[in-house]
Amino acid sequence: AQTVTQSQPEMSVQEAETVTLSCTYDTSENNYYLFWYKQPPSRQMILVIRQEAYKQQNATENRFSVNFQKAAKSFSLKISDSQLGDTAMYFCAFAYGGSQGNLIFGKGTKLSVKP
Amino acid sequence: ETGVTQSPTHLIKTRGQQVTLRCSSQSGHNTVSWYQQALGQGPQFIFQYYREEENGRGNFPPRFSGLQFPNYSSELNVNALELDDSALYLCASSLALPPYEQYFGPGTRLTVT
Repeated sequence: AQTVTQSQPEMSVQEAETVTLSCTYDTSENNYYLFWYKQPPSRQMILVIRQEAYKQQNATENRFSVNFQKAAKSFSLKISDSQLGDTAMYFCAFAYGGSQGNLIFGKGTKLSVKP
Repeated sequence: ETGVTQSPTHLIKTRGQQVTLRCSSQSGHNTVSWYQQALGQGPQFIFQYYREEENGRGNFPPRFSGLQFPNYSSELNVNALELDDSALYLCASSLALPPYEQYFGPGTRLTVT
């Protein structure tokens, strides 16, 4: 069975600083996809970044980047130049073809960006 | 491009009642997945519909059922409501192809009293 673990229930960061959110997963699949989703207090879940397991290069999207360590089954999210609008719950999620792409989520990390 | 919409926004029901939640998928998407998010938890997969057929189901009892319509919109039905069914219900639409990016609606907050 696939599992996703986020070990940091809450984190805080000062505006303009950098923060890293951790995620580990367990799977026997070789071809899968990893995602970070953001859920602001208004609750709509937004896709932040995606990583294909077959790609060695870490994904980046503007201020967001990942550190994907396939052997260690680790998938951390780095947010650079943190902004007040980054305050949200962040969920790590996993999908693979055998599950028709259905997402398995971690429990989330609540990130607070302080002015 | 129209995003994923859900209705209603909030709903209060009594234990034992039945409820229907609705979801309109994003333009161009043929797959709809439903998730239950309890307070303070990550979403849990309920089931997925692809071309009007159930295409995968999570660990939820049969009183959770669904439909998908020819326009790819979807309904989630829950019978014999229990207090533990109180949660945010999220609908997500996607294409049934890698990389399986799912786009979420704002959710329906269901409270069972």
